[in-house]
Amino acid sequence: DAKTTQPPSMDCAEGRAANLPCNHSTISGNEYVYWYRQIHSQGPQYIIHGLKNNETNEMASLIITEDRKSSTLILPHATLRDTAVYYCIVRVVGSGSARQLTFGSGTQLTVLP
Amino acid sequence: DAMVIQNPRYQVTQFGKPVTLSCSQTLNHNVMYWYQQKSSQAPKLLFHYYDKDFNNEADTPDNFQSRRPNTSFCFLDIRSPGLGDAAMYLCATWEAGGYTDTQYFGPGTRLTVL
Repeated sequence: DAKTTQPPSMDCAEGRAANLPCNHSTISGNEYVYWYRQIHSQGPQYIIHGLKNNETNEMASLIITEDRKSSTLILPHATLRDTAVYYCIVRVVGSGSARQLTFGSGTQLTVLP
Repeated sequence: DAMVIQNPRYQVTQFGKPVTLSCSQTLNHNVMYWYQQKSSQAPKLLFHYYDKDFNNEADTPDNFQSRRPNTSFCFLDIRSPGLGDAAMYLCATWEAGGYTDTQYFGPGTRLTVL
């Protein structure tokens, strides 16, 4: 699986959009971009994933650049409960094997009141 | 509504005393994983079961074993815990070939070794 690079930490004001970047310059054509987050002392939680088109769900939006070498997770209206470590993971989907998630160091997002 | 349940949430054991952590799921997923997460680090996969097939990661110490008696339950056995095994242990599930490709994690068991 391709390696990802994320900033170690970011702050965001409550109610504002949080934009979390991720670089995955070695991504291959069959690899998806996944985002998980981990609130302190809890298990990781799936947020969103995509291949090349932008995706949106009830939690967040995912913007993937045209060359697919980077992406941005957007939390449109951050709340204090969004304070967590956010992991960007690149992996192959549907390979038929039980592909594990290889977590990088992630970004610690702190939402400030 | 809990889908992946881990018991206990907190476990204290003594150095060298065997300990078992348990995980159960209501999702009927065919793949179950155990991850180890040390303080301020990312989760690291120890092993997984694909149905009844056990798959060990190359760098998982022999001290760690796992059992999956049925689809719903999976156990992590640490035969002789050392101080370095203190960590959060996360169980996750996935349905291979299912509609979604997301893993569902339990809340974790925090292991303290005295």
